[in-house]
Amino acid sequence: ILNVEQSPQSLHVQEGDSTNFTCSFPSSNFYALHWYRWETAKSPEALFVMTLNGDEKKKGRISATLNTKEGYSYLYIKGSQPEDSATYLCAVKTSYDKVIFGPGTSLSVIP
Amino acid sequence: DVKVTQSSRYLVKRTGEKVFLECVQDMDHENMFWYRQDPGLGLRLIYFSYDVKMKEKGDIPEGYSVSREKKERFSLILESASTNQTSMYLCASREVIHSPLHFGNGTRLTVT
Repeated sequence: ILNVEQSPQSLHVQEGDSTNFTCSFPSSNFYALHWYRWETAKSPEALFVMTLNGDEKKKGRISATLNTKEGYSYLYIKGSQPEDSATYLCAVKTSYDKVIFGPGTSLSVIP
Repeated sequence: DVKVTQSSRYLVKRTGEKVFLECVQDMDHENMFWYRQDPGLGLRLIYFSYDVKMKEKGDIPEGYSVSREKKERFSLILESASTNQTSMYLCASREVIHSPLHFGNGTRLTVT
């Protein structure tokens, strides 16, 4: 059974701090990794789709890296702002079109 | 922008009731999904559909069924609601197999 793990479970940072969190997954049958941001009272929104080992994606102050050989992805937020407060979900898609979500990392940015 | 609309934001139902959760997407996506989200757990797949009238069981289909009579609408049915089905339910659609998911706002269902 494919198990996707995320750490930490929750994080509180001061405005302006940079932060990062991790998504870990078994590397067998890997096809793609998705990062989503889920703000309270809104729907989860896709941030990145990553498929290749060594992939790096960037969107404003948020970036992500992927290592498929060792089975992890990092999400980085530079200079956190209160509007970055959300739950960040990682999902791994296997070659059998099965999408497994991690439990998420809840980020609170304190003004 | 893709819009995925779930008919109710909050629902309270009694044990044993039949419950319908409706989801509509406006971008002609073929693939649609129903997930539930519980504290400390990742989103878990209940059912999905690759096309009209097609349905496939996900990881936790027990106690649920689905209906997809039209491409834009995917309904989740709780045949006889139970308290362990109290959860946040999320509908999603996908353009093609490699695309990310587009989610609705979720329905928080409480079964008493």
